[in-house]
Amino acid sequence: QKEVEQDPGPLSVPEGAIVSLNCTYSNSAFQYFMWYRQYSRKGPELLMYTYSSGNKEDGRFTAQVDKSSKYISLFIRDSQPSDSATYLCAMSAIGTASKLTFGTGTRLQVTL
Amino acid sequence: SQTIHQWPATLVQPVGSPLSLECTVEGTSNPNLYWYRQAAGRGLQLLFYSVGIGQISSEVPQNLSASRPQDRQFILSSKKLLLSDSGFYLCAWSIAGSKETQYFGPGTRLLVL
Repeated sequence: QKEVEQDPGPLSVPEGAIVSLNCTYSNSAFQYFMWYRQYSRKGPELLMYTYSSGNKEDGRFTAQVDKSSKYISLFIRDSQPSDSATYLCAMSAIGTASKLTFGTGTRLQVTL
Repeated sequence: SQTIHQWPATLVQPVGSPLSLECTVEGTSNPNLYWYRQAAGRGLQLLFYSVGIGQISSEVPQNLSASRPQDRQFILSSKKLLLSDSGFYLCAWSIAGSKETQYFGPGTRLLVL
């Protein structure tokens, strides 16, 4: 079993839809949670970073963490064609030199 | 502000040839540095990380090696490339000693023929 599981998609939604991207994890030592966006042939770009259970909002993006269920989500409101990319979840434990464990990524396509 | 550079952007090499990929970070001191490989349709695999000059930790046994000759320079090398070394190589940095996350470079696409 992988430490981090992420549905690979692809996920196709119409413009303006609310998108929900999810990851589950098995290592209870994970305390820091991140979402990255990766456009084709580019390096991942940090979108959201959180270390506590609950919600964190930044513009159209909301990151949600439920440590009791070992489940994290990224919600995208009013999705745009420019949101079409692969979304990677990542997480790390304390004292690991910021070593991240990544999900395999979910490919999102927002259509006009 | 901090920036991270990788070169070359794209590389096509024959099997058995050597490899040298370079990564440099600007605007910060003593960063943690990382090399990842991303195969098509797969997640990021951590290859090496470094917490200081000359300090390299290997995560996956392979025919690749890494070196950190200067504080903000990280090099990925191979003496003889294999077909299976093809992939997208990403360098990343993070602030040493903090809980900050990693920031990635633009990547190098390597095709071994």
